Amino acid sequence: AQSVSQHNHHVILSEAASLELGCNYSYGGTVNLFWYVQYPGQHLQLLLKYFSGDPLVKGIKGFEAEFIKSKFSFNLRKPSVQWSDTAEYFCAVPGGGYNKLIFGAGTRLAVHP
Amino acid sequence: GAGVSQSPSNKVTEKGKDVELRCDPISGHTALYWYRQSLGQGLEFLIYFQGNSAPDKSGLPSDRFSAERTGGSVSTLTIQRTQQEDSAVYLCASSSQGQSSYEQYFGPGTRLTVT
Repeated sequence: AQSVSQHNHHVILSEAASLELGCNYSYGGTVNLFWYVQYPGQHLQLLLKYFSGDPLVKGIKGFEAEFIKSKFSFNLRKPSVQWSDTAEYFCAVPGGGYNKLIFGAGTRLAVHP
Repeated sequence: GAGVSQSPSNKVTEKGKDVELRCDPISGHTALYWYRQSLGQGLEFLIYFQGNSAPDKSGLPSDRFSAERTGGSVSTLTIQRTQQEDSAVYLCASSSQGQSSYEQYFGPGTRLTVT
């Protein structure tokens, strides 16, 4: 069965620090991977997605993620975080038949000015 | 255009009562999903509707939960005889059909508190 693991549940950083959030997946089909973000008081929204092609994916707000097939990983990165990046981040894979998304447990990021 | 909307935004109910949660998907989106977000459980899939096909109910936690989608648009999630463990944020999402358009757009959620 498909599953997603996010290793960091809470991350605290100072502004300008670099960010890397881990995501590992177990998925038997064509690999599609997503990172969603939920800012305080806001909807879940798509940050970036990988479907095929270049394994380094660029998303909104300076985020990127790299799909490494050999490691079953899709880690999220940002070279220099801002206070406004404070949010909860979710990695996700499609369920069988694209009828659902399976989410990781989420990582709460707090960025201090 | 308008995003996914959900109502009510907050609902407090007594244990044992029934509740109905509503979702208005993005116009033209054929797929509609319900998820539940709770402490300790993360985001859990509940049910999926796609066009006129039979819904995928595999995520519903018990027979107290049901959902319908009328006219291929609005959906209602009903929880009968609510229990305290039903307290959570219920999220609705919609997407257009097709793998390349698989992005799910989420609504703001309904926060359900069962007292």
